[in-house]
Amino acid sequence: QTEVTQEPSLTVSPGGTVTLTCASSTGAVTSASYPNWFQQKPGQAPRSLIYGTKNKYSWTPVRFSGSLLGGKAALTLSGVQPEDEADYYCLLYYGETWVFGGGTKVTVL
Amino acid sequence: QVQLVESGGGVVQPGRSLRLSCVASGFSFNSYGIHWVRQAPGKGLEWVAVTSNDATKKYYADSVKGRFTISRDNSKNTVYLEMSSLRVEDTALYHCAKDFQAFDTWGQGTMVTVSS
Repeated sequence: QTEVTQEPSLTVSPGGTVTLTCASSTGAVTSASYPNWFQQKPGQAPRSLIYGTKNKYSWTPVRFSGSLLGGKAALTLSGVQPEDEADYYCLLYYGETWVFGGGTKVTVL
Repeated sequence: QVQLVESGGGVVQPGRSLRLSCVASGFSFNSYGIHWVRQAPGKGLEWVAVTSNDATKKYYADSVKGRFTISRDNSKNTVYLEMSSLRVEDTALYHCAKDFQAFDTWGQGTMVTVSS
């Protein structure tokens, strides 16, 4: 059973920078895993932020960026705003299945 | 605007069946794959199933394989999720999401509760 691992929680100060990572139990995450990142706030549906490792949507704030870092997918939030407090999920592609990470709760404090 | 609206959820006993629908609007439906993703209360997201734009490719999570069937009717801009042999652990909010790879648009979800 493939597992995708994220940090359970991270805390960041307003204006600060935080990096969330996404690791695969099968080995290094590459662009072939087509990493996606989603933001979810309480009571809301997930919102897509990043697709294909680093591509942004028209609605993705500039302060969000995706990358590959040390064999993992990464989501970096630069200049964090209070409204960035949310749960963040990564999603990896494994050929005929997709697997979500367990999510990272980001607290802005 | 691009929109997905799910329906069909409800309370059902273990072992019974239920069919969910996802109606799309605002885009060329027959050009896009559609996923089902679920979220149990207080838990994370779980990918469930996907159909390609032309329904030639259908894939399922191991947890639902053999019990759930995804289908689509491009004439009605609708994707279905037929769920059978339901278990308590299938209780979740079920979302549909657009695009085979990018999951760019999500519906608000329909709640399925499996309970005796």
